[in-house]
Amino acid sequence: QSVLTQPPSVSAAPGQKVTISCSGSSSNIGSDYVSWYQQLPGTAPKVLIYENDKRLSGIPDRFSGSKSGTSATLGITGLQTGDEADYYCGTWDRSLSAWVFGGGTKVTVL
Amino acid sequence: EVQLVESGGGLVKPGGSLRLSCAASGFSFTAAWMSWVRQAPGKGLEWVGRIRSRADGGTTEYATPVKDRFIISRDDSENTLYLQMNSLKIEDTAVYYCTPAVSRGDWGQGTLVTVSS
Repeated sequence: QSVLTQPPSVSAAPGQKVTISCSGSSSNIGSDYVSWYQQLPGTAPKVLIYENDKRLSGIPDRFSGSKSGTSATLGITGLQTGDEADYYCGTWDRSLSAWVFGGGTKVTVL
Repeated sequence: EVQLVESGGGLVKPGGSLRLSCAASGFSFTAAWMSWVRQAPGKGLEWVGRIRSRADGGTTEYATPVKDRFIISRDDSENTLYLQMNSLKIEDTAVYYCTPAVSRGDWGQGTLVTVSS
């Protein structure tokens, strides 16, 4: 049971848009920045978004992040087959004094 | 270019010990707060713990499942991060990654630890 809640999967056709939600609480998302990670099959995770909405260098602007209250959202527009991956949200939890991740969302391009 | 190379993984029996290393280059290792993150086969990401830079006290924090069993240390002269894992359990089986900034940094390719009898 992850501290942050994500949908297990989302899917859309190529060129379409998907959004992935990440729900937390006042002790984590509500009080700190959120990062988003992409893990392509068989590879290590890499950071896409940090501090809620900042893209890491080299990340296309098709990827966007936002945060409101105790929830965060990752958006992917112009979906491509190469975007098929697992996506995770993460943030610091002040109550646990630990970094926490969501359970991950598998993105499928139909 | 940031490079992080984890090593030291392998097969170990329950109750055994293992020490992982993470050789870092391409950034200011001395100033970095280094973290370990693990991923069990087919599962999600789990933060293991972190060590602050020496300038920030060099203190450590651990996730509850590994507290009192795992120890994170660093050798700034060698730009190397360590994870000493003791009293290993089957549920510690995972790929272990190191990163200089879990929120925005690069990750290594990981090293697999298998705990099995």
